[in-house]
Amino acid sequence: ETGVTQTPRHLVMGMTNKKSLKCEQHLGHNAMYWYKQSAKKPLELMFVYNFKEQTENNSVPSRFSPECPNSSHLFLHLHTLQPEDSALYLCASSQERGFGYGYTFGSGTRLTVV
Amino acid sequence: ELKVEQNPLFLSMQEGKNYTIYCNYSTTSDRLYWYRQDPGKSLESLFVLLSNGAVKQEGRLMASLDTKARLSTLHITAAVHDLSATYFCAVDLLTGSRLTFGEGTQLTVNP
Repeated sequence: ETGVTQTPRHLVMGMTNKKSLKCEQHLGHNAMYWYKQSAKKPLELMFVYNFKEQTENNSVPSRFSPECPNSSHLFLHLHTLQPEDSALYLCASSQERGFGYGYTFGSGTRLTVV
Repeated sequence: ELKVEQNPLFLSMQEGKNYTIYCNYSTTSDRLYWYRQDPGKSLESLFVLLSNGAVKQEGRLMASLDTKARLSTLHITAAVHDLSATYFCAVDLLTGSRLTFGEGTQLTVNP
C-alpha cells in the first residue's frame, strides 16, 4: 500500500454508462493528479489540483470530469466513453509542486470500455 | 514543450551483466525522478535527483544527473531476474506542477 488508495481496481463499462473513479490520500499532500497510461504510450497528465483548485486541464475531453472536494480526495467522473479510453488510470499526490520529495502513485484503476 | 526521451525502449540482458538506461530531456530542470513499474502494478519511486552531479545508489541500481547535458542515467550492475520491470524517468519543471514522463524502458533479465 503506497499511501494513495484508488478504487475500484478494475472497471468494465459500456459506452453509455456513467461511473466514477475514486482516489484518496492521507499523506498530508496538497496536490493531486490524474494520469492516463495507455499501452505503448508515455503516461499522460490529465488534471492537476493544488489545494482543491484545478490548476491544469491537459486538453482532456469533457467526457472526463474531475472533482476534488478536499485535499485528500479526488474523483474522476466518466460518461459516454469510447473504447480508446480503455487504459490504466493512475492517481498521484505530492506536496505542492512536488518540492523535490516526489510523487506518490496509487495502484491504478484498469478501465475497459466495451 | 518539455520532452523526455528514454533509450533503449526495450532491453533484454543476461543475469550478471551491466547496462545503462539513458534519459534525455529538452528543457532546463533540476528535478528528475526514476520509477519502476511491474506489470499491472503502480509506479514505485526509485530515485529523486535534485541537483547537477547528483548520484544515488540503491542495491544494483545507480542513478545520476547531469543538468547541463540534460541527461540522467540509470546504471544496472550485475543484473538479476528480479530487476525485470519497466523503468520510467520523469522530469518536473521548476515553474510548473506537472511531471512529464519518458516512454519507459522495458527491461527483461534472462537467467
